[in-house]
Amino acid sequence: DVKVTQSSRYLVKRTGEKVFLECVQDMDHENMFWYRQDPGLGLRLIYFSYDVKMKEKGDIPEGYSVSREKKERFSLILESASTNQTSMYLCASSLGGGVNYGYTFGSGTRLTVV
Amino acid sequence: SQQGEEDPQALSIQEGENATMNCSYKTSINNLQWYRQNSGRGLVHLILIRSNEREKHSGRLRVTLDTSKKSSSLLITASRAADTASYFCATDLLTGGGNKLTFGTGTQLKVEL
Repeated sequence: DVKVTQSSRYLVKRTGEKVFLECVQDMDHENMFWYRQDPGLGLRLIYFSYDVKMKEKGDIPEGYSVSREKKERFSLILESASTNQTSMYLCASSLGGGVNYGYTFGSGTRLTVV
Repeated sequence: SQQGEEDPQALSIQEGENATMNCSYKTSINNLQWYRQNSGRGLVHLILIRSNEREKHSGRLRVTLDTSKKSSSLLITASRAADTASYFCATDLLTGGGNKLTFGTGTQLKVEL
C-alpha cells in the first residue's frame, strides 16, 4: 500500500530547540509539500519541493527551512522553535508534471512547543 | 486570503440525509479537488473535477463545478455516521505551475444517528 509516512504523531519541544520533522514517501513522487493546519485558518503551505535538492517557499516560510537530499525524503526544520509554531504539520506528495492530480498525505505531526 | 472558501463552516445532519458543501475560489484553475479529514488525521483525496467538466460522480459523491461563478459543490448522498469529518476543497491554479494546491478552510460535517 503506497503511503506517506511522518516520523512522529505527537511531539513536544521546548522554546528555542531545533526541531526536525521527517517525511518519507514510497511512491516515487516528484513533488513534496509541508503544510501547517490551524483552527479557522485551514492548511497553509510552508515549503514545497519538485525535485531533489530543489525547494520553493510557500505562503508562510518564516521560521522554517527544508531539506530534500533524496527523492523520497522531505524534512521540515524549525530553526528555533517558538510557541506560535505549535500546530498540526502535514506532509504530502504528488506525482509531478504540469498539472496536480492530487496529493497523498501523511497522518500528520501534532507539535507542541512549550 | 484563502483561494478556496467553504460554506457552511459546520453542518449537522441525520443519517440518511444528503449533505451539500460549497466552495468558492478567486482565480482560474486547472482543476478543483475535494479532500476529507477525519479528526486529527491526514487528508484523503476524494474526487477531482477538471475545469472543462461540469459534474462528476464517485459512489455517493457528486461534485459540480461552475467556472463562470468560480464555485463548486460537493454532495454526499444517503449520509452515514462514518461520513463525519471535515471536508476541504483545493484548487490547482492555472498560474500555479501545476505543483501545488491551495486549500480552503473546510466544512465540518457531523452525521448523527
